[in-house]
Amino acid sequence: TQLLEQSPQFLSIQEGENLTVYCNSSSVFSSLQWYRQEPGEGPVLLVTVVTGGEVKKLKRLTFQFGDARKDSSLHITAAQPGDTGLYLCAGARPTGNQFYFGTGTSLTVIP
Amino acid sequence: DAGITQSPRHKVTETGTPVTLRCHQTENHRYMYWYRQDPGHGLRLIHYSYGVKDTDKGEVSDGYSVSRSKTEDFLLTLESATSSQTSVYFCATGQGALDTEAFFGQGTRLTVV
Repeated sequence: TQLLEQSPQFLSIQEGENLTVYCNSSSVFSSLQWYRQEPGEGPVLLVTVVTGGEVKKLKRLTFQFGDARKDSSLHITAAQPGDTGLYLCAGARPTGNQFYFGTGTSLTVIP
Repeated sequence: DAGITQSPRHKVTETGTPVTLRCHQTENHRYMYWYRQDPGHGLRLIHYSYGVKDTDKGEVSDGYSVSRSKTEDFLLTLESATSSQTSVYFCATGQGALDTEAFFGQGTRLTVV
C-alpha cells in the first residue's frame, strides 16, 4: 500500500470538459507537489503547496491542499489535448528527507 | 532545465547478472534520488543521497545499492538482477530536501529476461 493514493487511475474526457484528480493519504505532509509527465520523459513540477487550505492557480489548473494537509486535488477547467499526460502528486513528510509519490492519474483529452 | 543525464537509456540483461545505472548532474544539487516507475504504482523511491558518501534507503531498497563518490554522480546497482526489477528507473536531483523542486532525468528502461 502506497502512502499517497490517487483517483481516478485513468481518465478520458472530451476537449472542453472539466475534471478533478484527487490525491489522498491518512498521513500528514509538510508540503505537497504536483508533477506532469509525458511519455518517454521524466516528471516536471507544476506546483508546490505548503499551507493547509492553500489554493494555487496555474492558468486553467487549480490546486488545493487539504486543511489537515493529508490530501490534495487538481482541477482542470476546459481541458485541452495538450493537458494529456500522467499527473503525479508527491508529498514530503514532516520528518525525513523522502518524497513519496502518488500512484498517478493518466489523463487523455480527446479533441 | 537542470542537466541530468541517465545512462544507459535502455538495457536488457539476464537474470542473475549485476547491473549499474548512472546518473550525472551538472547543477551541483545536493540531493539525488533513484526512483522506479511501474504501472499503477507511480514513482517509488529506491535510495537517495543527501551529500557525497551520504545515502539512505527508500521505500523499495531491497536488491539495490547506491554509491555517490562525487557530487555530480549517483550510481544505482542491482547486485543480481531479477525479473521483478524490470522497470523504468528515474534519477532526480534537488537543491534541498522536501518542498523544493525535484528535477528528473529522462529515465532508463531496464528489462531483465
